[in-house]
Amino acid sequence: AQSVTQLGSHVSVSEGALVLLRCNYSSSVPPYLFWYVQYPNQGLQLLLKYTTGATLVKGINGFEAEFKKSETSFHLTKPSAHMSDAAEYFCAVRRNTGGFKTIFGAGTRLFVKA
Amino acid sequence: DAGVTQSPTHLIKTRGQQVTLRCSPKSGHDTVSWYQQALGQGPQFIFQYYEEEERQRGNFPDRFSGHQFPNYSSELNVNALLLGDSALYLCASSPVGTGVEETQYFGPGTRLLVL
Repeated sequence: AQSVTQLGSHVSVSEGALVLLRCNYSSSVPPYLFWYVQYPNQGLQLLLKYTTGATLVKGINGFEAEFKKSETSFHLTKPSAHMSDAAEYFCAVRRNTGGFKTIFGAGTRLFVKA
Repeated sequence: DAGVTQSPTHLIKTRGQQVTLRCSPKSGHDTVSWYQQALGQGPQFIFQYYEEEERQRGNFPDRFSGHQFPNYSSELNVNALLLGDSALYLCASSPVGTGVEETQYFGPGTRLLVL
């Protein structure tokens, strides 16, 4: 079985500060890992994904995440927060053996203070 | 190029009724998945359709059923609605039938309220 745990349902940072959103997963098979962002009253937008290869993955809007197998983690970071980054962020895991069934974490709401 | 579209955007039903939600995938996509996102939670996988057949299913009762049409569009049907079915229902499409590395593209969702 697969599962995702996002540490912290709410994270607040100042504009220009480092953003760190934590995600740990469990999977019985090598996983594919994703971060999605959801703005109010909208669907999900893919920020970045890890499938194979380089463990440091760069995504849109300056975000990046590092796959650490030994720690079963896939934390999302951004060096400098912008007001427009305020949104809900979801970490997700999917099996690499077929199908699109994706398991999502409960989400972390990011607040950015001016 | 239109992305994933869903209709209606909002819907209000009463307990015991039936509801049908619709999804048109992104152009060139042939696989559609449905997710339920309850308030304050992450999306939960309902099922996936490819070649007009249900290929994968999450932990949802048989009250939840679906259909995919030859043009790849899809419907989600929920019978005997319960208050707990109130949620945002998201449709996601993907470009390859079972290409595991492919990205899912999500629609804006249909918000269902059951009274």
